[in-house]
Amino acid sequence: QSALTQPRSVSGSPGQSVTISCTGTSSDVGGYNYVSWYQQYPGKAPKVIIYDVTKRASGVTGRFSGSKSGNTASLTISGLQAEDEAGYYCSSYAGSYTLIFGGGTKLTVL
Amino acid sequence: QVQLVQSGAEVKKPGASVKVSCKSSGYTFTNYDINWVRQVAGQGLEWMGWVNPNTGNTGYAQKFQGRVTMTRDNSISTAYMELGSLKSEDTAVYYCARPMWRGANQFDFWGQGTLVTVSS
Repeated sequence: QSALTQPRSVSGSPGQSVTISCTGTSSDVGGYNYVSWYQQYPGKAPKVIIYDVTKRASGVTGRFSGSKSGNTASLTISGLQAEDEAGYYCSSYAGSYTLIFGGGTKLTVL
Repeated sequence: QVQLVQSGAEVKKPGASVKVSCKSSGYTFTNYDINWVRQVAGQGLEWMGWVNPNTGNTGYAQKFQGRVTMTRDNSISTAYMELGSLKSEDTAVYYCARPMWRGANQFDFWGQGTLVTVSS
């Protein structure tokens, strides 16, 4: 089972919006509404920001939003701030009590 | 407050096994699965599997089937992940993680990570 496909890097200027995609198959992303997104700073454990495709985790700013179309899920970050510079990972339920992660995307705030 | 505290860094030789522990506190240990996720330096997260502390049932990613064993000791609220036949490619930070609720697919509490280095 290969990792979900994410762009290796994205960038944007403060105040702009960026979208990170996460492409899987009908056996994972497309088959279930159980996509999550994590934010990870270097040397730290990941932090969940979005779950069940669109739901924001407790305490997460409304600047983060999630969506899904077919086999591709997306994370949009609006009003980019310097503190958003981090790694972002998607994950999806893949059936039979298994999970799969994406390869990760490094967000650079210019 | 919920805490997951993992054991310290390990250095192992190829072919050996490693056992990482994850001690839970701040909640009822048997109410939530413990999942294990690893991360090779500079690379992505990789889900390895889960253990249900209440039943002892486990589920493993296909990649690790036959090489990983996840167990628990409810008397000390601790979960374990043992990985055998280690290769250099297993050098990574290993995390334990707890789901948001029983059966959830997302993790809101993570251990601090355990670096396992496989080197001859």
